[in-house]
Amino acid sequence: AQKVTQAQTEISVVEKEDVTLDCVYETRDTTYYLFWYKQPPSGELVFLIRRNSFDEQNEISGRYSWNFQKSTSSFNFTITASQVVDSAVYFCALIAHGSSNTGKLIFGQGTTLQVKP
Amino acid sequence: KAGVTQTPRYLIKTRGQQVTLSCSPISGHRSVSWYQQTPGQGLQFLFEYFSETQRNKGNFPGRFSGRQFSNSRSEMNVSTLELGDSALYLCASSWNWNEKLFFGSGTQLSVL
Repeated sequence: AQKVTQAQTEISVVEKEDVTLDCVYETRDTTYYLFWYKQPPSGELVFLIRRNSFDEQNEISGRYSWNFQKSTSSFNFTITASQVVDSAVYFCALIAHGSSNTGKLIFGQGTTLQVKP
Repeated sequence: KAGVTQTPRYLIKTRGQQVTLSCSPISGHRSVSWYQQTPGQGLQFLFEYFSETQRNKGNFPGRFSGRQFSNSRSEMNVSTLELGDSALYLCASSWNWNEKLFFGSGTQLSVL
């Protein structure tokens, strides 16, 4: 069975602070994909990143960066110099290879990030 | 390029009724999946369709069903509504099962 844990339910920071959102996953499959999505108040989930299990390279996209470590089954997300517009709920998700997993994205419980001016 | 479109945006139903939600995927996407989002359970997978075939189903009762048409548009149906079915229902489309999912804005269903 697959599982995604986001231990931080809510995080509050002041604008320009750096913040890291933690994500720990569980799967027995060797081929899997990890995702981060952002859900602003409007409700629509916005894709941020996709990473496959064979690519452990960290990624940076503007103020966003991701650290994937298979040894600790973690896929953490850091926002540098946070802004008020970053306030949203962030979800980490996992999808594993295999017929019983096809199309089944497993989400963590989400972390609500509040960035105060 | 148009995104994923879900209709209606809001629905209010009473217990025992049935409801049909609609989803139009991004043009060219053949995989459509549905998720239920509630404050207590979070985001839970309902089912996934690819080329009109249901490839996977989540752990939901048989009252929840869906289908996909030849143009990839999808519908989900919930029969004999219960109070606990109140949720945001999100549809997502993608090229295939492991590609990034594009989500619609969802249908907020309230069961009274």
